[in-house]
Formats: sequence, C-alpha cells, structure tokens
Amino acid sequence: DAGVTQSPTHLIKTRGQQVTLRCSPKSGHDTVSWYQQALGQEPQFIFQYYEEEERQRGNFPDRFSGHQFPNYSSELNVNALLLGDSALYLCASSQGTGETQYFGPGTRLLVL
Amino acid sequence: QKEVEQNSGPLSVPEGAIASLNCTYSDRGSQSFFWYRQYSGKSPELIMFIYSNGDKEDGRFTAQLNKASQYVSLLIRDSQPSDSATYLCAVLVPGRRALTFGSGTRLQVQP
Repeated sequence: DAGVTQSPTHLIKTRGQQVTLRCSPKSGHDTVSWYQQALGQEPQFIFQYYEEEERQRGNFPDRFSGHQFPNYSSELNVNALLLGDSALYLCASSQGTGETQYFGPGTRLLVL
Repeated sequence: QKEVEQNSGPLSVPEGAIASLNCTYSDRGSQSFFWYRQYSGKSPELIMFIYSNGDKEDGRFTAQLNKASQYVSLLIRDSQPSDSATYLCAVLVPGRRALTFGSGTRLQVQP
C-alpha cells in the first residue's frame, strides 16, 4: 500500500522565482492538505483540496495557490518567492475532509 | 494564548522509563486529537489518535484524553533511544479541516 508521495525532495530557488510542488495521496484517500513547516516551528496549514476544489485556506497570501486533479493528486504553486518561504512543505492526505491525516516525506525548499 | 500548548522540553528520561508528554487545547469544541512523532529533518509520523475521553493503548503508547480539563497526553512505556524525537500534539476542530499543532515537545531518551 503506497503511502503519500511528494516530489521533488529538495529544491533550491532564488527570490522572485516560482515553484511547483507535487503530491500523490495515500491509496484510497481523496483529500489533500498542504502545510508549511519553517525550521524549528510547527506545521502551519496552507489549504485543503477535496473534489478538485479548495475547501479551506489558512493565513497564507495569494502567492500560494494549488490544484487537485481527478486522480486526487495535488500541486502547490508559490509565486514571487521570498526568502521567508524557505521551509519544509508537507502534504497530508485523508479519506474525507475531517479525518485522520497522514503526511508525506515533504519537500524542502530553500530560497536564496 | 496559543490554541494548542505543549512544553517544548527537552524532556529527558532514562532508557526503560515511562515518558509522559502533555498537551492542552483551548477550543472546547475540539473532537479529534492526534500525536505525531517527528525525527529531525523528517516529516511527522502519526502514532496515535483519540476521539473519546479515557485511555487508548497501542503497544508501548497510551493516549489519554480529558475533555473536561481540555487535556490530552501521550505515555511511552519502556522508552528507547529510538523514541528520541519531537512529539507534536494536533487538534481537529469541527468545521475546520486544518490540523492545529502545538509547538512540539522534544524527547530525549538516555541510554
């Protein structure tokens, strides 16, 4: 049973660039949530996708956007990167929007 | 006041001892509670979830929930050096689909 997968594992970008991160949910799961975890901090909720729609959003600017595909996989896009966007980006999947969330291995983004 | 509070630690226990990790939350409507373990540089790994008052046991782990006191704890019996990690308490509030995390407690198990 495949767990949550994310790609790439690591990424280095420069300020002002754009980045796309990808996530495939655990088999049988239809909901994907994205979190940002800065170094030494707890994960912070970015948004959640269910039925190809953004169902809820955390306190993140519009530079952060996403998409969910019919196969339930998801992308997180960040435009106009700032140094402060450097973090571990976590994808979590669940079966339904209010259920137990399982995290993928994360994508570590470094913005120079 | 943060919505989910944890003592940041580090909590240091000798190998074989019981480690007790605590978490309090502010929203009385919270119904689902989770403990995640996070090793340095890795992603959070779910180790326990609990929805009802009382105790829930899974191997060496026991989660305890007291909704009246808005308190949830995690006990790790027979602690091993491999249990050394940061333990994140997370809460799911009805109507909100996001997990709200505490800042985590760093556990160190001394051989």
